[in-house]
Amino acid sequence: EAQVTQNPRYLITVTGKKLTVTCSQNMNHEYMSWYRQDPGLGLRQIYYSMNVEVTDKGDVPEGYKVSRKEKRNFPLILESPSPNQTSLYFCASSWDRGQPQHFGDGTRLSIL
Amino acid sequence: EDKVVQSPLSLVVHEGDTVTLNCSYEVTNFRSLLWYKQEKKAPTFLFMLTSSGIEKKSGRLSSILDKKELFSILNITATQTGDSAVYLCAVVPNTGNQFYFGTGTSLTVIP
Repeated sequence: EAQVTQNPRYLITVTGKKLTVTCSQNMNHEYMSWYRQDPGLGLRQIYYSMNVEVTDKGDVPEGYKVSRKEKRNFPLILESPSPNQTSLYFCASSWDRGQPQHFGDGTRLSIL
Repeated sequence: EDKVVQSPLSLVVHEGDTVTLNCSYEVTNFRSLLWYKQEKKAPTFLFMLTSSGIEKKSGRLSSILDKKELFSILNITATQTGDSAVYLCAVVPNTGNQFYFGTGTSLTVIP
């Protein structure tokens, strides 16, 4: 079954404690991206990757890092999380930019 | 700055009604516009519209793209309670590799 898998699905943590949200896709897609979704602000792109070792900033990259060492995986790293990063996060992939994206089920992060 | 605006923000209708959702955009050098439906969790893809495909239809849902006036509409006829969701519009320019989403329209269909 074609899918994008994110882990964890829920996380409550404290300010400053590094965390990683993993994302894996099994569709051999070239393009992967991370979004955060906040009430009234919609989906905003954090980072995206056109292919292995190629990543670029979206609209809201501050406080986040990503890496793309393998085609299927695109982890999101929060080195020093802060409360303003409390949000619902989605990973997505597509075979090319501009094409329909498959979304993971989301990760709800709460930073206290 | 590229921008996508959806209207209305929310809508409550009765089963059987027809609804029209709007998405206007200001994007440099348009490539594609995509509609998604988001229920409890992940957005799911509905339609993609491009310069070569400005009208799409699937069952009770249809969408058109007006490239001259820079907007798209999503029509849902004979609405059902299962249509209750947030509908998202996203635009991709030809330059750059980003997706730009609107804030969505929340649709509630009452039995």
